[in-house]
Amino acid sequence: NAGVTQTPKFRVLKTGQSMTLLCAQDMNHEYMYWYRQDPGMGLRLIHYSVGEGTTAKGEVPDGYNVSRLKKQNFLLGLESAAPSQTSVYFCASSFIRGRGETQYFGPGTRLLVL
Amino acid sequence: KQEVTQIPAALSVPEGENLVLNCSFTDSAIYNLQWFRQDPGKGLTSLLLIQSSQREQTSGRLNASLDKSSGRSTLYIAASQPGDSATYLCAVSGNTPLVFGKGTRLSVIA
Repeated sequence: NAGVTQTPKFRVLKTGQSMTLLCAQDMNHEYMYWYRQDPGMGLRLIHYSVGEGTTAKGEVPDGYNVSRLKKQNFLLGLESAAPSQTSVYFCASSFIRGRGETQYFGPGTRLLVL
Repeated sequence: KQEVTQIPAALSVPEGENLVLNCSFTDSAIYNLQWFRQDPGKGLTSLLLIQSSQREQTSGRLNASLDKSSGRSTLYIAASQPGDSATYLCAVSGNTPLVFGKGTRLSVIA
């Protein structure tokens, strides 16, 4: 049971390049989330999904797109990377939302945009 | 909009001391509150989850309390150890998914 895994662990991009971050979970969780973590800003929610085929915007969605074609995978895309998107990206998943929710986090992807 | 504040931002204590980390939130309409631990360069690990109807949760040397009406939670760590050194984050879940505080960076000195 690997939990939540993220690919890649580290990436360097040039401004304007595109890339996709992959998140996978093997816990059969319905809900999945993408966060970014920046110094002094804490973790902020980018997008989330409440089930296969669904996505919703979080606090900071601009410049990102997501897809949830399979229940176990949640992809985060950057179509045209900007230096402001330099950050550590965390994926998380949970079985339910609400009272009993516990989110499980992946190890993170460090992205540097030059 | 929910806002979560954690005080202090950083704390350094000698080994063996008991300590309290504080978390406050502005909107009391929450489902639950969670405390997480984050080690440098790592992801987050859930420590304790308190549902909105509960007052506290305990796990080993950790005890978390929740006062929803006043918008406050505390994380109590008993007999601190150097291995407790990490950043501790508080997060609340309500009408929107988890909203995080900026964390308290704890250093326990041997």
